[in-house]
Amino acid sequence: DAKTTQPPSMDCAEGRAANLPCNHSTISGNEYVYWYRQIHSQGPQYIIHGLKNNETNEMASLIITEDRKSSTLILPHATLRDTAVYYCIVKSRDDKIIFGKGTRLHILP
Amino acid sequence: EAQVTQNPRYLITVTGKKLTVTCSQNMNHEYMSWYRQDPGLGLRQIYYSMNVEVTDKGDVPEGYKVSRKEKRNFPLILESPSPNQTSLYFCASSPGTSGRGTQYFGPGTRLTVL
Repeated sequence: DAKTTQPPSMDCAEGRAANLPCNHSTISGNEYVYWYRQIHSQGPQYIIHGLKNNETNEMASLIITEDRKSSTLILPHATLRDTAVYYCIVKSRDDKIIFGKGTRLHILP
Repeated sequence: EAQVTQNPRYLITVTGKKLTVTCSQNMNHEYMSWYRQDPGLGLRQIYYSMNVEVTDKGDVPEGYKVSRKEKRNFPLILESPSPNQTSLYFCASSPGTSGRGTQYFGPGTRLTVL
């Protein structure tokens, strides 16, 4: 099963770009990378996903390396409301979905 | 409004008293799943269902049961709750049968077992 590794915590100044890394070195060719975030104890919220190409939506950008072994979620202009735990997920072969411990992002005023 | 609902939102119970946490989605999603979240351990999948009458174990299924008799509902059953099942529980649904689609999460159920 592909698993992910993320730093436990990161800080980012308000208004700056937040770059959150994720390693998924055992990812297989047809597995997508998903990013979710969880604000306090609310239900996790979908942010973005991708397979090979870089993706962008109204919330964030996702950069996936050419070998697909790692990716970076970019929040272009972080605000205090982006303070949350961010999860990088790769769906496993047998339909289980494995969340890691995520990265706790602190946005500093 | 497209949503996943869970009931109850908060529950305090005692060891051994059977309980059910309901989960319902109005998006006609095939895939539904239950997670528990504990401090320092992140989200862990308990059970999932790829469609009606199809369920399978996640990473931490011990002590839990599920059923999927209707597409919209996916109740989580604790036949004999124990204090180590005190946790925050989330239900989620997604389109398709693989769970690969975007997951929509419910608001959570905070369970305390005394």
